[in-house]
Amino acid sequence: GQSLEQPSEVTAVEGAIVQINCTYQTSGFYGLSWYQQHDGGAPTFLSYNGLDGLEETGRFSSFLSRSDSYGYLLLQELQMKDSASYFCAVNTGGFKTIFGAGTRLFVKA
Amino acid sequence: SQTIHQWPATLVQPVGSPLSLECTVEGTSNPNLYWYRQAAGRGLQLLFYSVGIGQISSEVPQNLSASRPQDWQFILSSKKLLLSDSGFYLCARRWGLGTDTQYFGPGTRLTVL
Repeated sequence: GQSLEQPSEVTAVEGAIVQINCTYQTSGFYGLSWYQQHDGGAPTFLSYNGLDGLEETGRFSSFLSRSDSYGYLLLQELQMKDSASYFCAVNTGGFKTIFGAGTRLFVKA
Repeated sequence: SQTIHQWPATLVQPVGSPLSLECTVEGTSNPNLYWYRQAAGRGLQLLFYSVGIGQISSEVPQNLSASRPQDWQFILSSKKLLLSDSGFYLCARRWGLGTDTQYFGPGTRLTVL
């Protein structure tokens, strides 16, 4: 089967750094994406890694190691508004994307 | 700009009733469109995707169906709803070659009673 594993919950303090990991087992792999979803809202795209290495976009960074079937999302200088669910997603080829179950991030003051 | 519309925003339906959810896309031609369902506190389950008018691929066998009558229109339907059909239904379009970026509509929250 195909699966993406990520922690169900992470808690961190405002101003801190948090890392959300994602490991995957899929029949095909063309890239790893990250999405943010606030309660009641739709997911919004954060970042994409098609090749190994680190991608940086402002306070958010994403890393991919294809040999380890592993990636992570790094959030720096945490703000209260970063409290949300974060999903990793794998493009398995063609038009298909598989999403993980999501990590609920709680940011405390 | 590219905009995705979904309606209705919320819906409460009895078990066994029919369903029709609509998604329309502005600002682009021939988009790849997707229907996802999200159960409460869960991830996104891919239901259908479409690469063009009349072209539908189904990912999960169930009592739902999809249609793409227009390039900018994607419809999700059911003849008889089940309790398990409750969830947050999201329409998305894929953007960008080589990035697999997906942009989502605002969603329809469906409760089947």
